[in-house]
Amino acid sequence: GAVVSQHPSRVICKSGTSVKIECRSLDFQATTMFWYRQFPKQSLMLMATSNEGSKATYEQGVEKDKFLINHASLTLSTLTVTSAHPEDSSFYICSARGLVRGEQYFGPGTRLTVT
Amino acid sequence: QKEVEQNSGPLSVPEGAIASLNCTYSDRGSQSFFWYRQYSGKSPELIMSIYSNGDKEDGRFTAQLNKASQYVSLLIRDSQPSDSATYLCAVNGYNFNKFYFGSGTKLNVKP
Repeated sequence: GAVVSQHPSRVICKSGTSVKIECRSLDFQATTMFWYRQFPKQSLMLMATSNEGSKATYEQGVEKDKFLINHASLTLSTLTVTSAHPEDSSFYICSARGLVRGEQYFGPGTRLTVT
Repeated sequence: QKEVEQNSGPLSVPEGAIASLNCTYSDRGSQSFFWYRQYSGKSPELIMSIYSNGDKEDGRFTAQLNKASQYVSLLIRDSQPSDSATYLCAVNGYNFNKFYFGSGTKLNVKP
């Protein structure tokens, strides 16, 4: 149980375009999902907390107009990187909050490369 | 002061030895404690959770919690090269509304 999927696993896009990443909880309903970014050899960095049916809460320094988050259902959250630039190239990982003690289950991640 | 502190390592142990990973946290009201394993280039995987003082064993893994000392540890017995990864300690705050990760300890198990 507690499986989270992410799609796509890898994407290459041109500078200035937008990319949408989907995160799905496959076998449980997740009222809360999280989006992280991780650069090589660095720690996870929480970007935003997404609650179903409400606006996402962004961490300090994360541009909400650039990283659009939508959590329209209990099993799906999406992250759209708008007007992507090479510095947005990173490993983006979503997680879903579990139902027992607030544990987080991670998706496999999306590696974004902006050329 | 960070919410969750871990030694970044790397911690090197020979194959078959016990690896001991440690973590301290600052919020005394924390309720739940987790260990994640992250292989290079992959996302974190939940391997252990512990909620009350004492030890919790699962196969070769033992999590230990001491709330008075605000200390969590993970022991890996009979370490294998496949255990080489970064281990993240995570703590859930009071009411589960805050979830904090440590920066991780890199473990190298040498054959």
